[in-house]
Amino acid sequence: QKEVEQDPGPLSVPEGAIVSLNCTYSNSAFQYFMWYRQYSRKGPELLMYTYSSGNKEDGRFTAQVDKSSKYISLFIRDSQPSDSATYLCAMNVGGSNYKLTFGKGTLLTVNP
Amino acid sequence: GAVVSQHPSRVICKSGTSVKIECRSLDFQATTMFWYRQFPKKSLMLMATSNEGSKATYEQGVEKDKFLINHASLTLSTLTVTSAHPEDSSFYICSAVGQGVGQTNEKLFFGSGTQLSVL
Repeated sequence: QKEVEQDPGPLSVPEGAIVSLNCTYSNSAFQYFMWYRQYSRKGPELLMYTYSSGNKEDGRFTAQVDKSSKYISLFIRDSQPSDSATYLCAMNVGGSNYKLTFGKGTLLTVNP
Repeated sequence: GAVVSQHPSRVICKSGTSVKIECRSLDFQATTMFWYRQFPKKSLMLMATSNEGSKATYEQGVEKDKFLINHASLTLSTLTVTSAHPEDSSFYICSAVGQGVGQTNEKLFFGSGTQLSVL
């Protein structure tokens, strides 16, 4: 079993839809959870950063962490065509350890 | 946020040649940088951790003699792919630990990546 599992999609939604992206993980030592957005042939861009169970909201984005289930989610409200990209979940054990373990990424297309 | 610059963005080379990729932290000092490799439709795989002034730490399965990493200053790390072969063709991405604007906690910021194609 891989440490981080993420459905690669692709996921196609109409503009304005609510998008739900998910990852599961097996390593209970992971304490910090991130969501990155990556456009084609570009470096990942940090979207959300959380370290506790619960929800964190930033504009149209909401990150949700359930450590008991080892499950994290990213919700995108009122999705826009500009949100079309690959979304990667990432996590690490925290502290001074910045080594991230990534999911495969989910390719999202928002159709106008 | 913190800016990490990576060059070149794309390079095509002949089999057997060496290629150097640069990663610079533009507005902050980075004692630690990371190098990742990403194959098409695959996740980012950590290759090595680059520490300023000391030897890089390589992940299991990564050949340190093939992927030479030099972190000679607090703002620059280089990855040299020596004697490149077609199977080394991939998207290479660097990252550095820095602080976002107006924030006190450190996060990981990524360069824009380098697409290496070995003919």
